[in-house]
Amino acid sequence: DSGVTQTPKHLITATGQRVTLRCSPRSGDLSVYWYQQSLDQGLQFLIQYYNGEERAKGNILERFSAQQFPDLHSELNLSSLELGDSALYFCASSARALLAGGPTGELFFGEGSRLTVL
Amino acid sequence: QKEVEQDPGPLSVPEGAIVSLNCTYSNSAFQYFMWYRQYSRKGPELLMYTYSSGNKEDGRFTAQVDKSSKYISLFIRDSQPSDSATYLCAMGVWYSGANSKLTFGKGITLSVRP
Repeated sequence: DSGVTQTPKHLITATGQRVTLRCSPRSGDLSVYWYQQSLDQGLQFLIQYYNGEERAKGNILERFSAQQFPDLHSELNLSSLELGDSALYFCASSARALLAGGPTGELFFGEGSRLTVL
Repeated sequence: QKEVEQDPGPLSVPEGAIVSLNCTYSNSAFQYFMWYRQYSRKGPELLMYTYSSGNKEDGRFTAQVDKSSKYISLFIRDSQPSDSATYLCAMGVWYSGANSKLTFGKGITLSVRP
């Protein structure tokens, strides 16, 4: 158990709809990362938040947005869904506090939310 | 050219075999190198990490990095059925203080036959 909790585990919806995926990071972790995993693209970085602030953006579509709340949980919102958005969405967290000596860079992943768009 | 290329799979080997998994990369800014293992229906978990060129051993696993040639490898000795999983290489860069960015390979699925 990584300590990262993601809900829901499975989600089936229709094209054009909007969904929200939720992530609770490991206790004490300040950074949350969202990744999308598909068979053809592999694990693609979407966005990172650190202590409530957006820190980095990857290949995130404009139809997608995310936020991190004061209690450090994060939500990924996916709107105007298309068939091609069907994928596994992972949240990961890391202890990205300013530690002396530097952290290892390890990410702790949740079990993912499997989104199917019909 | 993608930043990180990983040998395609899947790979099937008999129990006890030595397995070699490889990745190449194009971004010379990568500072640390990792291998993640992902079991079916689970999230990836860190298997090994290293910052420097050379070999690092951990039990039956050896991670090898060659920065001059821009490739990394993971060797698994005496492979076991429990090693059956998808293996993803990952490479990272530190930026803006304590933040880092990891770039993953597409992963290779390994099956170890009893």
